[in-house]
Amino acid sequence: EAQVTQNPRYLITVTGKKLTVTCSQNMNHEYMSWYRQDPGLGLRQIYYSMNVEVTDKGDVPEGYKVSRKEKRNFPLILESPSPNQTSLYFCASSLFSVGRADYGYTFGSGTRLTVV
Amino acid sequence: KNQVEQSPQSLIILEGKNCTLQCNYTVSPFSNLRWYKQDTGRGPVSLTIMTFSENTKSNGRYTATLDADTKQSSLHITASQLSDSASYICVVKSSGYALNFGKGTSLLVTP
Repeated sequence: EAQVTQNPRYLITVTGKKLTVTCSQNMNHEYMSWYRQDPGLGLRQIYYSMNVEVTDKGDVPEGYKVSRKEKRNFPLILESPSPNQTSLYFCASSLFSVGRADYGYTFGSGTRLTVV
Repeated sequence: KNQVEQSPQSLIILEGKNCTLQCNYTVSPFSNLRWYKQDTGRGPVSLTIMTFSENTKSNGRYTATLDADTKQSSLHITASQLSDSASYICVVKSSGYALNFGKGTSLLVTP
């Protein structure tokens, strides 16, 4: 089944403890992206990657890192999490980096992160 | 600044009734517009994708319309079901790869 898999689904951590949220897709998509979703703010892009070893900042990149060493994986790294990073995180992928109209974005099921 | 505005913010309807959700955008240049359904705590799932030349597109009981001149889109849900309760997000894509997200309309269908 074609899908984007995020792990973990739920995570509670303490301020300052480094964590990684994994994202993997099995569709050979070039484009991958991370979003956070907060009440009243909608989905906001954190980082994106157009292909292996090509990453760039989205709208809210502060406090996050990413890497794209393989086409299928795009982990999100929080080096020193803070409470304002408590949010619902989504990874998404798309076939073409420019996103042709016939190809939508496939989203993962989400990771609910709580930083205390 | 590219913006996507959705209305209403939330909506409650009775099962079996129809409803229409609105999306106005200022994104330019325009590439395509997508409607997503997001169940609580889950990832968004695509309902429809429309390009500049498409006025309407249906997916079962969901029908999306697009007026590229006025930069407006609507999502009409016919004969609503309890499972339609979700957030509906309008997403407009410009040239390149960035998506512009609306904040969503939260729909609750009650028995």
